[in-house]
Amino acid sequence: NAGVTQTPKFQVLKTGQSMTLQCAQDMNHNSMYWYRQDPGMGLRLIYYSASEGTTDKGEVPNGYNVSRLNKREFSLRLESAAPSQTSVYFCASAKTGSYGYTFGSGTRLTVV
Amino acid sequence: GEDVEQSLFLSVREGDSSVINCTYTDSSSTYLYWYKQEPGAGLQLLTYIFSNMDMKQDQRLTVLLNKKDKHLSLRIADTQTGDSAIYFCAENSGGGADGLTFGKGTHLIIQP
Repeated sequence: NAGVTQTPKFQVLKTGQSMTLQCAQDMNHNSMYWYRQDPGMGLRLIYYSASEGTTDKGEVPNGYNVSRLNKREFSLRLESAAPSQTSVYFCASAKTGSYGYTFGSGTRLTVV
Repeated sequence: GEDVEQSLFLSVREGDSSVINCTYTDSSSTYLYWYKQEPGAGLQLLTYIFSNMDMKQDQRLTVLLNKKDKHLSLRIADTQTGDSAIYFCAENSGGGADGLTFGKGTHLIIQP
């Protein structure tokens, strides 16, 4: 019963470095999401993929890119990390039109 | 755009009832959710309510929805120390695939 798996769990980057956060789900969900969580800000949507082959910007997409590799996997890339991208990143998936959003356990990213 | 508002802190005595309130602006919300986040952990779905309902009860949890006033509340009966967490209200506009909109979260503090 893996659900949504995110890797890595922790990462420290230097300003300007790049990295990709990985997310995979095994529930055959159509839609996948990337959120960031900052203290006092709740969760804000970065990008989402309503179905395989499509991606759309959310509320805070600047500085990020995404790839929906297949139905299971949705990755988030930081091309040139900035300290403002220090955050906890959550991946989620859902069956379109249903109530069931499942979240991963998060990736804690620090950019120094 | 859509907006979800919650107070940031609530302090209650152990054994009392906790009532966490939320207001939202999107009248097309299909599902409304309460998530719980313990320190350093991911998001756990506590309960949800469909927009055509006005109440849902699940053991110690009672959700009340006033659709006219766009007001959602979560009541936790007999609050315990294990209930100490951040509680997020979230809504899903029209039941579509464009993700959840979250409030900033309410820190529930339990006094002995």
